[in-house]
Amino acid sequence: QVQLVQSGSELKKPGASVKVSCKASGYTFTNYGINWVRQAPGQGLEWMGWINTNTGNPTYAQGFTGRFVFSLDTSVSTAYLQISRIKTEDTAVYYCARAGGTSLDYWGQGTLVTVSS
Amino acid sequence: DIQMTQSPSSLSASVGDTVTITCRASQSISRNFNWYQQKPGKAPTLLIYAAFSLQSGVSTRFSGSGSGTDFTLTISNLQPEDFATYYCLQTYSTLWTFGQGTKVEIK
Repeated sequence: QVQLVQSGSELKKPGASVKVSCKASGYTFTNYGINWVRQAPGQGLEWMGWINTNTGNPTYAQGFTGRFVFSLDTSVSTAYLQISRIKTEDTAVYYCARAGGTSLDYWGQGTLVTVSS
Repeated sequence: DIQMTQSPSSLSASVGDTVTITCRASQSISRNFNWYQQKPGKAPTLLIYAAFSLQSGVSTRFSGSGSGTDFTLTISNLQPEDFATYYCLQTYSTLWTFGQGTKVEIK
């Protein structure tokens, strides 16, 4: 069965970096893109962008350029989200989700990133 | 960017009611449109894709309609497990966008 398993919660100080992983199983990893979605505490869903798992080409939504980097390790069917120079306003749950055509059909369980001094 | 305006932001309803949630796109998005359900502390799940196609395993009490700029999610015979927050998502443009969400609460 298709599964996306994300890494555990992180607590970071402002200015640090964090890397969230999303390990896929149950399907051919390079056949489906991986999207990233942010949800700040008590807020709605925000689409951050996606990475083409076949070419490695990322696409970033407005507001997620510069400090946010999507990457892959196809040898272990894993996608990564790295946030650098992290800010308190980056505190959120970050989800990865598989793009099955033009929908997000499978989601990871989410990773809580807390930024606090 | 394509903006998605979802309404209402919240609603109260009783078990057995029929509820309707709408999403309006700032430009035509054909049928590149999905609905998601999210329960507290959980990841969202796909309900409807391509505007009206029911995702496998989803109850037939959920239905989607619309095309172009206006879309509707209808939940018939509301059940206790349906109380959740619902989001729309346009997947027409290169940059996708979610609606703001609709929280369905028990009256």
